[in-house]
Amino acid sequence: QKEVEQDPGPLSVPEGAIVSLNCTYSNSAFQYFMWYRQYSRKGPELLMYTYSSGNKEDGRFTAQVDKSSKYISLFIRDSQPSDSATYLCAMSATPSYGKLTFGQGTILTVHP
Amino acid sequence: DAGVIQSPRHEVTEMGQEVTLRCKPISGHDYLFWYRQTMMRGLELLIYFNNNVPIDDSGMPEDRFSAKMPNASFSTLKIQPSEPRDSAVYFCASTGTSGRAFTDTQYFGPGTRLTVL
Repeated sequence: QKEVEQDPGPLSVPEGAIVSLNCTYSNSAFQYFMWYRQYSRKGPELLMYTYSSGNKEDGRFTAQVDKSSKYISLFIRDSQPSDSATYLCAMSATPSYGKLTFGQGTILTVHP
Repeated sequence: DAGVIQSPRHEVTEMGQEVTLRCKPISGHDYLFWYRQTMMRGLELLIYFNNNVPIDDSGMPEDRFSAKMPNASFSTLKIQPSEPRDSAVYFCASTGTSGRAFTDTQYFGPGTRLTVL
């Protein structure tokens, strides 16, 4: 069993929809949670990060962590065609610089 | 800053040949990471360096893979001999040590797309 599970999709939604992307994990030592966005044929770029449980909001994006359920989510409000990308969750047990464990990525397409 | 630079961007080679991938991290970054991405396995960490010293190479799949970082501005990932199952996109990433914990995010290069025939 993988430490981090992420539904690869693909997920297709109309413009303006609310998108929910999710990951589950098995390692209770994970404390640091990140979401990366990867456009086609590009490297991943960090979108958001959170520590421990709770919510974090940044514009149209909200990251949510539920450590009791070992479940994290990324919500995108008012989705735009420019949000079409692969979204990868990543986690770490160490505060920094240690290795990240990535989910497989969810392919999202937002159509006009 | 030019960001993380990788070369070549595309590599097509035949099984059994040696492949060398190159990476120049962002100036001033202390950590360098090599990842491999495939549809089947997603993004996997192969090895990472701190101040040019390999810290964790547990993700290196086999002895056919080796990585070096001779100085702070250059790293190589070598596959010898290459096999078709090594076909993947290989990413290099770097990050610094500002003392602000995990807010020092990893910055990824554009990747090298390797095809082994």
